[in-house]
Amino acid sequence: NAGVTQTPKFRILKIGQSMTLQCAQDMNHNYMYWYRQDPGMGLKLIYYSVGAGITDKGEVPNGYNVSRSTTEDFPLRLELAAPSQTSVYFCASSDRTSFLYFGPGTRLTVL
Amino acid sequence: DQQVKQNSPSLSVQEGRISILNCDYTNSMFDYFLWYKKYPAEGPTFLISISSIKDKNEDGRFTVFLNKSAKHLSLHIVPSQPGDSAVYFCAASARTSNAGKSTFGDGTTLTVKP
Repeated sequence: NAGVTQTPKFRILKIGQSMTLQCAQDMNHNYMYWYRQDPGMGLKLIYYSVGAGITDKGEVPNGYNVSRSTTEDFPLRLELAAPSQTSVYFCASSDRTSFLYFGPGTRLTVL
Repeated sequence: DQQVKQNSPSLSVQEGRISILNCDYTNSMFDYFLWYKKYPAEGPTFLISISSIKDKNEDGRFTVFLNKSAKHLSLHIVPSQPGDSAVYFCAASARTSNAGKSTFGDGTTLTVKP
């Protein structure tokens, strides 16, 4: 099992550009999450999904969108990138009562 | 208002000694507490958890203690090893609804010196 995979690993965006961070898991987990980690800070929940076709906002959803068309994939869309979105983004999956399995992260810089 | 706090940004201990990492929370709805370990340039990995119905959970060198009345938990690592050097995140959730929808502390960087 590959677990949770994320692409790309690194990306530099210009202000106002858009991009999609890809996330996939092969553990057949219904629950998937996007967290961001700013330097010296903990992880903050952006969006989560409890199954295909169902998504909900987390603590810091502004500037992001998600979709969940399959159990395996949970892409995160950034529209009109801003410097405040410079962060490391972690995708994770779990079953309902368990801990999180994290991907390796995407380091995004917005200049 | 930070619901999960790790007041020590860093901790340095000697190899073989005990490492104690602390975490405080404010939300009484939290009933499931987890510790994650993170190495540089990697995603966090699950270390150990504890449900609110327990006050202690042990897994090898790692033990988590929960004091519900004080809303405090701690992670003990005995004996500490250089490979334990990492950032440790405390997290809390309401397991009955969604254990993965966790609130994280800011992390404590542990350095274990040989």
